[in-house]
Amino acid sequence: SQQGEEDPQALSIQEGENATMNCSYKTSINNLQWYRQNSGRGLVHLILIRSNEREKHSGRLRVTLDTSKKSSSLLITASRAADTASYFCATAFSNSGGYQKVTFGTGTKLQVIP
Amino acid sequence: NAGVMQNPRHLVRRRGQEARLRCSPMKGHSHVYWYRQLPEEGLKFMVYLQKENIIDESGMPKERFSAEFPKEGPSILRIQQVVRGDSAAYFCASSPQDRSYGYTFGSGTRLTVV
Repeated sequence: SQQGEEDPQALSIQEGENATMNCSYKTSINNLQWYRQNSGRGLVHLILIRSNEREKHSGRLRVTLDTSKKSSSLLITASRAADTASYFCATAFSNSGGYQKVTFGTGTKLQVIP
Repeated sequence: NAGVMQNPRHLVRRRGQEARLRCSPMKGHSHVYWYRQLPEEGLKFMVYLQKENIIDESGMPKERFSAEFPKEGPSILRIQQVVRGDSAAYFCASSPQDRSYGYTFGSGTRLTVV
């Protein structure tokens, strides 16, 4: 299965600290995406990093991608209570049907304590 | 632009009844994806549709589940003769083309089978 695996499964930090979540996957990808899901809500797209990129920033988010290790990390700096949510990585790869398929990881549940 | 609209938000069905979940993609998006999320788990791919075509239904259970995306109107995920194990959140996502540069998700339909 191409499904990514996030690590850790759950993370609890104090407001102001940095939060790092990791994602590992199994086969070659076209891009990797990170999403956030607040409790009881749909997923919100945060950031996309292409397979030929190594690092990308968006506000307080920093994503790295290491294709040799088939892993990515999401760093949230100066965390806020509002960052409390589940975070999922999703990998996009070309499948035999000639289109790109996106599969989601199992998620990291982040709790930021005020 | 109203985003991806799913309805109903919550649906309760008795065992053996039918469930119909609707998804209206974002304006200009012709690709629709359905995912299922069990409590405390990640999203599992179910089906990928374009207008009037099923592109990939590899994640759909072989029986009782069907999906369509007609020329006019929303995409429909239909579950016949529901069982308790069908209880989950069902999310729809759309994209303007098969480039998976990030999906836009709806808020989901939470199906409870009693």
